[in-house]
Amino acid sequence: GAVVSQHPSRVICKSGTSVKIECRSLDFQATTMFWYRQFPKQSLMLMATSNEGSKATYEQGVEKDKFLINHASLTLSTLTVTSAHPEDSSFYICSAREGGENTEAFFGQGTRLTVV
Amino acid sequence: QKEVEQNSGPLSVPEGAIASLNCTYSDRGSQSFFWYRQYSGKSPELIMSIYSNGDKEDGRFTAQLNKASQYVSLLIRDSQPSDSATYLCAVKNSWGKLQFGAGTQVVVTP
Repeated sequence: GAVVSQHPSRVICKSGTSVKIECRSLDFQATTMFWYRQFPKQSLMLMATSNEGSKATYEQGVEKDKFLINHASLTLSTLTVTSAHPEDSSFYICSAREGGENTEAFFGQGTRLTVV
Repeated sequence: QKEVEQNSGPLSVPEGAIASLNCTYSDRGSQSFFWYRQYSGKSPELIMSIYSNGDKEDGRFTAQLNKASQYVSLLIRDSQPSDSATYLCAVKNSWGKLQFGAGTQVVVTP
């Protein structure tokens, strides 16, 4: 399968600071990327969907001013958690797909964010 | 009602036995169904997809789909300790959105 690289794999930050997470498709052009959040022993919750060159579509209840998503190129999307708080501590996972809805999306390795 | 429901487990399975995992979904218009395996601290990896009623086999894995009952299952034959993980059921609903269950933890005991 295709490779999606997510960086960093772990990050610890102080409360009130911002953290940027990168998601790269290494061997394909990702027209669509997805950002998920997963709390312990819970399911993956879709936060937002981003298409290259356009604004991300956020799921209900996700603050777009707090979770900034940029999909500036066909191989890179970034998620910035602004003014992070301890309750933002979670496992953030991106996935990317090359084509339309019926094409498979591949997951990145995930980022464990801890806000202290 | 959650869109995708799974028993959380843990499901304890002796090595060599069959593990049976179940999943139900609420959107009757759903057309695509997936099983992912997730090891602790890692992201999910796709192990099976199924789109039509009936069984689909891939190696030691068999996915079963019954759209009338809104039910999808996964069988793991000859379970190995390396199969110990959380298995996530995912359903693409009628809006094209992929919805995940909370996962079933499987523990294969030697």
